[in-house]
Amino acid sequence: NAGVTQTPKFRVLKTGQSMTLLCAQDMNHEYMYWYRQDPGMGLRLIHYSVGEGTTAKGEVPDGYNVSRLKKQNFLLGLESAAPSQTSVYFCASSELDVYNEQFFGPGTRLTVL
Amino acid sequence: AQSVAQPEDQVNVAEGNPLTVKCTYSVSGNPYLFWYVQYPNRGLQFLLKYITGDNLVKGSYGFEAEFNKSQTSFHLKKPSALVSDSALYFCAVRDSRRGATLGRLYFGRGTQLTVWP
Repeated sequence: NAGVTQTPKFRVLKTGQSMTLLCAQDMNHEYMYWYRQDPGMGLRLIHYSVGEGTTAKGEVPDGYNVSRLKKQNFLLGLESAAPSQTSVYFCASSELDVYNEQFFGPGTRLTVL
Repeated sequence: AQSVAQPEDQVNVAEGNPLTVKCTYSVSGNPYLFWYVQYPNRGLQFLLKYITGDNLVKGSYGFEAEFNKSQTSFHLKKPSALVSDSALYFCAVRDSRRGATLGRLYFGRGTQLTVWP
């Protein structure tokens, strides 16, 4: 099993550009999450999904959109990138029951100039 | 509201000595508690969790954590630290009530553990 994979690993954008981050998991997990990690801030939840075709806002959703068209994929979109979105983005997935741990991808390092 | 506090940004310990990384939490219902470790340029790896039962939980790489309900704490411990334990450690909490927050984890800010030889 590959677990949770993320593409791309690195990206540099100019302000105003758009991009999509792809997360894929092969563990048949129902729940998927997008976090951003900033120094001294821990991980903050951007959006999450509790199943195919569903999405919900997390702690810091502004400036991001998501889609979960297939159970194994969770896409994070930036329509008009801003320097404040410079961060490391992590995707995670977990099984249905809330006591199950989340499995994390390796991260995407995004720089917005 | 759910929240996690890791009061120490940095913990330094000599190899072979015991280590403790502190975590306190706030949650409305009963807590599910987790510890994760992050090595440089890597994603988070699960270490251990407390769901119910024995307050002392054992996890990967010789780590353990003790749940203390009265102090709302879940400190991570290891009897003998290794240089390879140097990493960033995150505590996280989830409300156990099934409808609450739909499985969302709330993370602390992280504690950088450095073990010197």
